Amino acid sequence: EAQVTQNPRYLITVTGKKLTVTCSQNMNHEYMSWYRQDPGLGLRQIYYSMNVEVTDKGDVPEGYKVSRKEKRNFPLILESPSPNQTSLYFCVTGAPDQPQHFGDGTRLSIL
Amino acid sequence: KNEVEQSPQNLTAQEGEFITINCSYSVGISALHWLQQHPGGGIVSLFMLSSGKKKHGRLIATINIQEKHSSLHITASHPRDSAVYICAVYGWSDKLIFGTGTRLQVFP
Repeated sequence: EAQVTQNPRYLITVTGKKLTVTCSQNMNHEYMSWYRQDPGLGLRQIYYSMNVEVTDKGDVPEGYKVSRKEKRNFPLILESPSPNQTSLYFCVTGAPDQPQHFGDGTRLSIL
Repeated sequence: KNEVEQSPQNLTAQEGEFITINCSYSVGISALHWLQQHPGGGIVSLFMLSSGKKKHGRLIATINIQEKHSSLHITASHPRDSAVYICAVYGWSDKLIFGTGTRLQVFP
């Protein structure tokens, strides 16, 4: 079964405490993205990766890092989280001209 | 003006009604996606279109490339269709551009 697995699903943490949201896919997709979704703003791309060791900024990359050391994994790193990064995050696989596969989402609250 | 506009923003229907959600875009595109976001937050892909029409069960998606417009139709709507429907287009950049969604509520 095609799967995009995100962890954790929910996280409440405090300002400045580094955190990582993991994303793993079993479809051998080259293209992976991270999005955040905020009320009234829709889905906005944070970072994307077209292949292993190839990453690029999306529309809202400030405060985030990513890495793509293996094809299946694409973690999102918040080195020093701040309250304005409280959001719903999605890992998505599939190139823009292919069907999109979404992870279940991570609800992140930063106090 | 947003590059992807959806209408209506909110839609209420009675069970059994035929529903249409519209998506207009201002850029040249090579693909258009319709997504469904459940009340719990999860998002699933419904359709990807580059031309014509696609059908899956009670859902039909159409696209008119010349008019830069797509529609998502739901026949015989059901309360379980209640969700946010999101249109996204793939154009000149390496990414998708998303509409802000149409919230549909179907009442029994």
